[in-house]
Order: sequence, then structure tokens, then C-alpha cells
Amino acid sequence: GEDVEQSLFLSVREGDSSVINCTYTDSSSTYLYWYKQEPGAGLQLLTYIFSNMDMKQDQRLTVLLNKKDKHLSLRIADTQTGDSAIYFCADPHSGNTPLVFGKGTRLSVIA
Amino acid sequence: SAVISQKPSRDICQRGTSLTIQCQVDSQVTMMFWYRQQPGQSLTLIATANQGSEATYESGFVIDKFPISRPNLTFSTLTVSNMSPEDSSIYLCSAGGPLPYGYTFGSGTRLTVV
Repeated sequence: GEDVEQSLFLSVREGDSSVINCTYTDSSSTYLYWYKQEPGAGLQLLTYIFSNMDMKQDQRLTVLLNKKDKHLSLRIADTQTGDSAIYFCADPHSGNTPLVFGKGTRLSVIA
Repeated sequence: SAVISQKPSRDICQRGTSLTIQCQVDSQVTMMFWYRQQPGQSLTLIATANQGSEATYESGFVIDKFPISRPNLTFSTLTVSNMSPEDSSIYLCSAGGPLPYGYTFGSGTRLTVV
């Protein structure tokens, strides 16, 4: 079945850029998502990218998609302490099938 | 995208008892999903709930332990039955919908079984 893989931990200094990586196996994905989960909270949709795009920029967030290698990354520019959270990449297949999540990357921002 | 109200947000329960978690959606959605998130882990799908039919359970989850109701297109419940400490987790409901904005999540129920 579908598999989504992420590195588990990332630690960066405040003001630096963070890059969180994800690989997936389903080549039919229409969209790919990034979710953020802060401690004790539910999941917040951070951004998404359409599968025919290579890059999407949204303020401090840049999503890169390499469809050939099935590799997705999320870059956070000027990382702040408020960015400390767990970040999940997710593949929906379609709107009526459940999201397949990676294990999540725990981002720690050091002041 | 739909907004989901999930309750309770947290509970502490005695082993052997049951807890029912409710999710109310502010618009009609065809599919709802229930997930479990154990401490420090990713989300594991428990079941998919389609209105008017029985829920479809993932491997390792059974209806007797996690009965689900889906009486209409805006509401669903998950019951955690005969609880043990191993059931201590965060439980989240999610609504499916048209891409790209379709997937939304409730705020989660943090369950502790003592």
C-alpha cells in the first residue's frame, strides 16, 4: 500500500531556514499536503501543492515537489520559536479516501 | 472547508468503562475518518465512516472495541469500549471532501485510562 516516509527530528536556530523532507510511493497523487501539529492540538493544514507543480511559495513557506523521485520538501524561512511543532506530510489520493500520513518530523527551534 | 467540533477535548476514565467521542461538522460531508495518535507517534487510521453504511475498519481495529455511528452527513461518534491503559491516546476525527481544501480535523480528544 501507500507509504509516506519522513525524517523524525530536526533542530534549527531561530532565524535559520528549516527544510523538512518527505518521500511517498503513490504516483497518482493529485495533491500533497503539509500539516502542522502543535503540542496538545489537532492538525492544521499548513499548505499543499498540486502534483503538476514543482514549487509553491506561501509567505515563509516553500514547497518543492520532485515527482520523478517522489520527493516533497517544506522549507520554512526565518524559522521562529512558534514554528516548533510536528510536521506531517500527507497524501490524500482523493477526497473520499483517508489521508496517508508520514510519521511526522519534530521541529525544535533553538532561541 | 468544513469546520469540525469534537468533544470531549480530554477525559480521564477508569479501566473497563467506555467513552463516546462526538464530532459535529458544520456542513454535509460524505466521508468521515477516525484516527488514533499514540504519544509521540503519527496518526493511525481506525476506520472510515460513510453515512448510511457500516464503518470500514482497518487491520487491528474491530467494531466491538471501537463502534462507530454515522447517523447523518454532519455527525459521527466513536466509542472506545472496555478501556484499558493501552487505549490512552489522542483520538481525532476528520472529514473528507473536495480537494484541495477538503480534509479538516477535529481538535482531538486526549484520553487517559487509569
